[in-house]
Amino acid sequence: KAGVTQTPRYLIKTRGQQVTLSCSPISGHRSVSWYQQTPGQGLQFLFEYFSETQRNKGNFPGRFSGRQFSNSRSEMNVSTLELGDSALYLCASSPLAGDTYEQYFGPGTRLTVT
Amino acid sequence: AQTVTQSQPEMSVQEAETVTLSCTYDTSESDYYLFWYKQPPSRQMILVIRQEAYKQQNATENRFSVNFQKAAKSFSLKISDSQLGDAAMYFCAYLRNTGNQFYFGTGTSLTVIP
Repeated sequence: KAGVTQTPRYLIKTRGQQVTLSCSPISGHRSVSWYQQTPGQGLQFLFEYFSETQRNKGNFPGRFSGRQFSNSRSEMNVSTLELGDSALYLCASSPLAGDTYEQYFGPGTRLTVT
Repeated sequence: AQTVTQSQPEMSVQEAETVTLSCTYDTSESDYYLFWYKQPPSRQMILVIRQEAYKQQNATENRFSVNFQKAAKSFSLKISDSQLGDAAMYFCAYLRNTGNQFYFGTGTSLTVIP
């Protein structure tokens, strides 16, 4: 069974631009969560989607948004990029919403904002 | 809010020796889950071990075991017979019993010395 895939793996953007990252969960998994990883703040939860609905959202500004499609693939969008948005963005999938067993992580998308 | 603290930013261990990584957490909940994740240089987060708070027995997975002290809110990871492939960043994580999102510690970078 294929793992969680994220595209693109690396991205360079300029301040003020917007960016869209994609995450394809493991086949059959319906929950997708997104995390931001930075050296200073560590891993921080962005949001979780299940059955195309956002179930939970972390403490991030409205510039960060996401959505989930009927095939469970998810995208996150960051508008008006700031230097501080440079980070590794990880997505994780699990079979169910509120799954307490395990989240399977993707390899991440490294976003650099210049 | 739940907080997870890893007080050891870096640790090193001689190959074949044993090392213990520390983790403490703060919560007012009685039912929750704790995890150790490993993030090697490839950046893919991998589950190492999982512990249910309602279980008194410490979880074990081959060379990896935990010392879970619920009253002290402590959750340390012991790696026995350390191998070169164990070198990675290790994250302690807390998950509420409703699932939804992980709260991660800041990580411990483990070096294995040949």
